[in-house]
Amino acid sequence: KAGVTQTPRYLIKTRGQQVTLSCSPISGHRSVSWYQQTPGQGLQFLFEYFSETQRNKGNFPGRFSGRQFSNSRSEMNVSTLELGDSALYLCASSPGVASNQPQHFGDGTRLSIL
Amino acid sequence: GESVGLHLPTLSVQEGDNSIINCAYSNSASDYFIWYKQESGKGPQFIIDIRSNMDKRQGQRVTVLLNKTVKHLSLQIAATQPGDSAVYFCAVYQGAQKLVFGQGTRLTINP
Repeated sequence: KAGVTQTPRYLIKTRGQQVTLSCSPISGHRSVSWYQQTPGQGLQFLFEYFSETQRNKGNFPGRFSGRQFSNSRSEMNVSTLELGDSALYLCASSPGVASNQPQHFGDGTRLSIL
Repeated sequence: GESVGLHLPTLSVQEGDNSIINCAYSNSASDYFIWYKQESGKGPQFIIDIRSNMDKRQGQRVTVLLNKTVKHLSLQIAATQPGDSAVYFCAVYQGAQKLVFGQGTRLTINP
């Protein structure tokens, strides 16, 4: 079974631009979560989608948004990019919404802001 | 909210020795715990999990111990190999599908 796939793997943008990252979950998984990973803050939860609905959101500004499609694929968007948005963005999927099963992660999109 | 802490940011062991990585959590109501391994350039990889109704769970060369009294869990890796070099995270859920991670322990294997 294929794992979580994230595209692109690397992105370079400049301040003020916007970016869209894509995530394809493991086949059959319906919950998709997004995380930001930085050396200083570690892994931080951005948001989670299930059945095309955002069910939970972390403490990030409104510039960070996402959506989920009917096939469970998800995208996240960051508008008006800032230098501090440079990070590894990770997507994780799980079969459903139960909090007693692990999330499985992709290898992330490395976003660099110049 | 939940907070998760790891006791050591780095750990260096000899190849063939056993490794023990520790983690503490704050919420006594937490009932499910996960260990992840992250190698350079990759995302976190699921290693093993444990539910609060268990004290110990074993996998292939790995054992997780849970002490609910002191809110502590540990990951033991037997006969450490070079391929075990990575950063190890413990994680717990805080609300719907929101995982809270510790800061991670970087495990280095000396030949």
